[in-house]
Amino acid sequence: GDSVTQMEGPVTLSEEAFLTINCTYTATGYPSLFWYVQYPGEGLQLLLKATKADDKGSNKGFEATYRKETTSFHLEKGSVQVSDSAVYFCALSELSDKLIFGTGTRLQVFP
Amino acid sequence: NAGVTQTPKFQVLKTGQSMTLQCAQDMNHEYMSWYRQDPGMGLRLIHYSVGAGITDQGEVPNGYNVSRSTTEDFPLRLLSAAPSQTSVYFCASYTPGEAYGYTFGSGTRLTVV
Repeated sequence: GDSVTQMEGPVTLSEEAFLTINCTYTATGYPSLFWYVQYPGEGLQLLLKATKADDKGSNKGFEATYRKETTSFHLEKGSVQVSDSAVYFCALSELSDKLIFGTGTRLQVFP
Repeated sequence: NAGVTQTPKFQVLKTGQSMTLQCAQDMNHEYMSWYRQDPGMGLRLIHYSVGAGITDQGEVPNGYNVSRSTTEDFPLRLLSAAPSQTSVYFCASYTPGEAYGYTFGSGTRLTVV
C-alpha cells in the first residue's frame, strides 16, 4: 500500500540556518503530495502542496519539489526562524478521499 | 466560519467505558476523516467518509465505530475503551478541488486508565 517515509527528528538548528527535511513516498499511482505543520498544542495546518511531477509548492519561505524519478518531496527553507519550531508532516493522497502521513519530524530552532 | 469543531478537548475514561468524540464542520465538505496521533507513529487513519451515508475503514479501525448521517457531522464512537486507545484524535474535512487541502480540528486528547 501507499506509504510515506520521513527523516527522524528532532532536527535542531540555529536561527537563520538552512533547513532540509527529507520525505520519500511509495504509491501505486500519481499522488498529490503535501507538507503539514503542527505547532504546539494545535491541529495540523497545510503548509504547501504539489499535485504533479516537477511541481514546486511554496509558502512562508518553505519550498518542496515533487520529484517523481526519486519519489521524493523534500522540504527546504533557506533561513529558519524560532517561530518555525513545530512538527512537520509529509503526506500523500491518491484519490483525495484520505491522506497518508509520515511519522512527522520535530524541528527545534534556537536563537 | 468555525471550520472543524471537535468536542471535548480533553477526556479521561476508565477501561471498558464507551464514549463519542464529536466532530462538526460548517464548510459543506464532502469528505471527513478521523486520525489518531501517537508519538513516533505520525497520524494514522481510523475511519473516513466520502459523503453522508458512506463510511469506510482506514488503517486502524478496530475498537471504533463511525456514522455519517449528515454532511456536517462525523462522530467517532469508542465501544469499550482500552488503554491502547489513549491518544490524540483529530478530525479533518475536505472537498475535492479545494486549494488548501484538508482542514483539521484542534484535537481531542483522550486518556484511558
